[in-house]
Amino acid sequence: AQSVAQPEDQVNVAEGNPLTVKCTYSVSGNPYLFWYVQYPNRGLQFLLKYITGDNLVKGSYGFEAEFNKSQTSFHLKKPSALVSDSALYFCAVMDTNAGKSTFGDGTTLTVKP
Amino acid sequence: GAVVSQHPSWVICKSGTSVKIECRSLDFQATTMFWYRQFPKQSLMLMATSNEGSKATYEQGVEKDKFLINHASLTLSTLTVTSAHPEDSSFYICSAKSPLGFYYGYTFGSGTRLTVV
Repeated sequence: AQSVAQPEDQVNVAEGNPLTVKCTYSVSGNPYLFWYVQYPNRGLQFLLKYITGDNLVKGSYGFEAEFNKSQTSFHLKKPSALVSDSALYFCAVMDTNAGKSTFGDGTTLTVKP
Repeated sequence: GAVVSQHPSWVICKSGTSVKIECRSLDFQATTMFWYRQFPKQSLMLMATSNEGSKATYEQGVEKDKFLINHASLTLSTLTVTSAHPEDSSFYICSAKSPLGFYYGYTFGSGTRLTVV
């Protein structure tokens, strides 16, 4: 069975500082990994994905994520945080056979001015 | 781009009544849709997988008779919460496979906040 862990419930950073939201995964085959963002009372928005290729994946709104196979991690990063980045972030791994995704518990990112 | 419209955005209903939530793929055909439930400050719990023209596949622990899912067309899936009770109050989200393929993840609806009083 596949699983995703987001070890931090909350991440606080100051505006302009770099941010990292951590994610580790467990899958039996090749991982298909995703990051989504959710704003209050809204659905999830796709940020970026890793399927294959370069370990550094660039996505929407200046976010990027680094795939590390040896550490089974897929941390979300941004060089300079904005207050508007404050939201709930979900890491997910997809089972391509069943089409289902398993989501982490989410990390609330708060960027303070 | 692929858009999934979910309606209503919020609904308040009385205990014992039923509520229907609609999820429409606006510019693509969605043969498969997924229904999730999200509790405050918690992750998404997959409730069921909805396939066009066939019965939904429910996850373990989800009451089929309480959460009725219908996927009658390639662009519409509905979730009906029957005989709603306060414990059914939650945020419900639908999603569809991106028309670009699984590699692009899912397209999510904007969610429905259900409050049962």
